[in-house]
Amino acid sequence: QVQLKESGPGLVQPSQTLSLTCTVSGFSLTSYNVHWVRQPPGKGLEWMGRMRYNGDTSYNSALKSRLSISRDTSKNQVFLKMNSLQTDDTGTYYCTRDLGRYYGYNYFDYWGQGVMVTVSS
Amino acid sequence: DVQMTQSPSYLAASPGESVSISCKASKSINTYLAWYQEKPGKTNKLLIYSGSTLQSGTPSRFSGSGSGTDFTLTIRSLEPEDFAVYYCQQHNEYPLTFGSGTKLEIK
Repeated sequence: QVQLKESGPGLVQPSQTLSLTCTVSGFSLTSYNVHWVRQPPGKGLEWMGRMRYNGDTSYNSALKSRLSISRDTSKNQVFLKMNSLQTDDTGTYYCTRDLGRYYGYNYFDYWGQGVMVTVSS
Repeated sequence: DVQMTQSPSYLAASPGESVSISCKASKSINTYLAWYQEKPGKTNKLLIYSGSTLQSGTPSRFSGSGSGTDFTLTIRSLEPEDFAVYYCQQHNEYPLTFGSGTKLEIK
């Protein structure tokens, strides 16, 4: 069945770089788009960016200068890297699958459980 | 960016009752609105997309309506498993944006 699982460090120091991995199963990264969404504690959800089935990427302009999304299709993994972390980057980070095969619909039929990231010294 | 304003932020109701949650967009998003359910210990669940289309597996007591800037999620005859947090999300343009959530609790 379709699954997504985020992994990465729970604690990152301010000004450092966050590296997260989304490992997927039950579908192919060359057929579906994968998005990253985050949620600060007690706040709403924020779309960060996406990896398209063909390897193209799109980013939230608010994060674009700090954010990079890449993938390794042989390992069924999508990666998120974000630099210059600050305390307001603390939150739960999710990877999600776009419902649309090939042509993305920009809504998400499967979510990972999320990984909590704390930015603190 | 399209701002999504959800209301109420908190709602208390009893099983069997019907409730409605509002989501307003800062500009027209046609019918490109999705609704999600968040429950502790479970992954987020897509309920409705394109304003009113039920995702496979969504019970028929859930319905979505609206177009342009005003949308509503209605849950008829609440079941115990419906008490959760609900989010709206516009999928009309980038960046994709979400409402702030509505927590539905048992009265």
